[in-house]
Amino acid sequence: EAGVAQSPRYKIIEKRQSVAFWCNPISGHATLYWYQQILGQGPKLLIQFQNNGVVDDSQLPKDRFSAERLKGVDSTLKIQPAKLEDSAVYLCASSLFRGGLSNEQFFGPGTRLTVL
Amino acid sequence: GDSVTQMEGPVTLSEEACLTINCTYTATGYPSLFWYVQYPGEGLQLLLKATKADDKGSNKGFEATYRKETTSFHLEKGSVQVSDSAVYFCALTAGSGNTGKLIFGQGTTLQVKP
Repeated sequence: EAGVAQSPRYKIIEKRQSVAFWCNPISGHATLYWYQQILGQGPKLLIQFQNNGVVDDSQLPKDRFSAERLKGVDSTLKIQPAKLEDSAVYLCASSLFRGGLSNEQFFGPGTRLTVL
Repeated sequence: GDSVTQMEGPVTLSEEACLTINCTYTATGYPSLFWYVQYPGEGLQLLLKATKADDKGSNKGFEATYRKETTSFHLEKGSVQVSDSAVYFCALTAGSGNTGKLIFGQGTTLQVKP
């Protein structure tokens, strides 16, 4: 079974520029998560989708970050404009169901963003 | 709010040494607890999990027991190998109103030397 795909793997931009990341979850997985992992810290949830609806975006800096999951399959996360503190690895994960005790999340390889 | 605290790293061990990585949590309700591992150049992978008090999760020689009385989920292995070198993350999902959101600790780097 194919895993979670993400692209690009690496991106370097200057502050105030915009950037977009793409994620294709495992086929059939209804729930999709975007996490931000700053160097030396654990991942932090940015946004969670159930099919194409948002479940939780309480930690998403909405003045500069946006995300969508059209058609309930793949997803795009955008930053506009980027700040230096956005330098991080952006992880996408998917799971079959929302919640539940057996909810295993499968993670993609991540996109490493460097903002200069 | 819910949180996870892990012991500081890096942890450096010789091959065949015993490993313990401490993890404690704060949560309302009855969370599920997880250990994820990140090998160099790879994505996060689920290592083991426990969904209720006194459950023991195990995989690849690693074990962790869900201790409600001490709010802990320490990761242990009796004999580490060089191939166990990785970053280990303790995490939880909230109990009541569980949306599946994972809350992670800061990670502990393990380096095993031959």
